[in-house]
Amino acid sequence: DIQMTQSPSSVSASVGDRVTITCRASQGVSNGLAWYQQKPGKAPKVLIFAASSLQSGVPSRFSGSGSGTDFTLTISSVQPEDVATYFCQQVNSGPFTFGQGTKLEIK
Amino acid sequence: EVQLVESGGGLVQPGGSLRLSCAASGFSFSTYWMTWVRQAPGKGLEWVANINQDGSQKSHVDSVRGRFTISRDNAKNSLYLQMNSLRVEDTAVYYCARTITDGYNFWGQGTLVTVSS
Repeated sequence: DIQMTQSPSSVSASVGDRVTITCRASQGVSNGLAWYQQKPGKAPKVLIFAASSLQSGVPSRFSGSGSGTDFTLTISSVQPEDVATYFCQQVNSGPFTFGQGTKLEIK
Repeated sequence: EVQLVESGGGLVQPGGSLRLSCAASGFSFSTYWMTWVRQAPGKGLEWVANINQDGSQKSHVDSVRGRFTISRDNAKNSLYLQMNSLRVEDTAVYYCARTITDGYNFWGQGTLVTVSS
């Protein structure tokens, strides 16, 4: 199985800060990488498909990059409503494993 | 409006069975792969199983293979997860998700399964 490792496990940022979350795959997944946002008590919501494609309706401050084994999710200017846990998932080969999550808090 | 509504969760003893359902509406259900994902309390997400459009292709994670079975009824716009021989470690919120090649573009709100004596 492909292991997905996210870092950091938690991050605290001020409103307006730039935040970067990384996700590393134990083997190459091409661009088969999705990012999800999960707010407390809610279902996950997709932000990014195919490593860098923004889902319709998602604010443009979210962006994704990477290919192969190393990927990043960047929030260019953190807003209070971005408080959530963020997960990456490889969709290249089954089982379609998730990273352990990164919890974003506001200072 | 796209909707996925899970049901069938609850409290069950170890070794018991449950059947989860996911009712889909607002889109052409029969044209999508579908997936079950679970999340243990306070933990991350775990892919459980997926199924193709006509139910002829199914896949399950190793930890549930032989105990859980994914299925669908396109006439009823419904997805199912039959869970047998439940274990304490199966305790989780179970989500159904509409699936495309690049990920899951719509999720239900989840149903809680608690396995405890």
